[in-house]
Amino acid sequence: QVQLVQSGAEVKKPGSSLKVSCKASGGTFNRFSITWMRQAPGQVLEWMGRTIPVSGTTDYAQKFQGRVTIIADDSTGTAYMELSGLTSEDTAVYYCVTDFGGPKDYWGQGTLVTVSS
Amino acid sequence: QSALTQPASVSGSPGQSITISCTGTSSDIGSFNLVSWYQKHPGKAPKLIIYEVIKRPSGVSSRFSGSKSGNTASLTISGLQAEDEAEYYCCSFVTGSTFWVFGGGTKLTVL
Repeated sequence: QVQLVQSGAEVKKPGSSLKVSCKASGGTFNRFSITWMRQAPGQVLEWMGRTIPVSGTTDYAQKFQGRVTIIADDSTGTAYMELSGLTSEDTAVYYCVTDFGGPKDYWGQGTLVTVSS
Repeated sequence: QSALTQPASVSGSPGQSITISCTGTSSDIGSFNLVSWYQKHPGKAPKLIIYEVIKRPSGVSSRFSGSKSGNTASLTISGLQAEDEAEYYCCSFVTGSTFWVFGGGTKLTVL
């Protein structure tokens, strides 16, 4: 079973950018996709986007297009999610997930991001 | 894109069975056999318990089962145990550029 370890909690200023990392135990994602999700306080989980490292295919939810970048390196088992133009509405717990929706669907522990002036 | 609709809470006694519904539309649950269910305990990451409507990942108890009819998916937990007390979320692939939508979660209480 892959274990995903995410970077720690962050406090960001409005207008700034965020970069969250996600590292796989064993040093590889085993060719699976990497998806990023978030859950704002009292809100529904949101699918932000995903990348397939072996093919380079990346898709983003329309809501986040132009603001989010997801990259992953299968050889190092490390993925990143960058989100720019932060507002208070981006305050949420962010999760990385391998093989989302598939039999090897595993989640990181979550990273709390607070956007506040 | 609207979220999928789940009951806010359900409850049952140990040994009983409960079913959690997840209602979507013809653009999501009704069009794709790509419905997943997650179990989430407080302070922990979600854990996949059902994928592709009816499939169980390795290691997940056979007490958990999924089904779908029309635009509604369902999760049934049989032989309720105390450790089943958690929040349960459904999600479905959806047409368009949202890709996946989630339900609001159902809090299961084991009495």
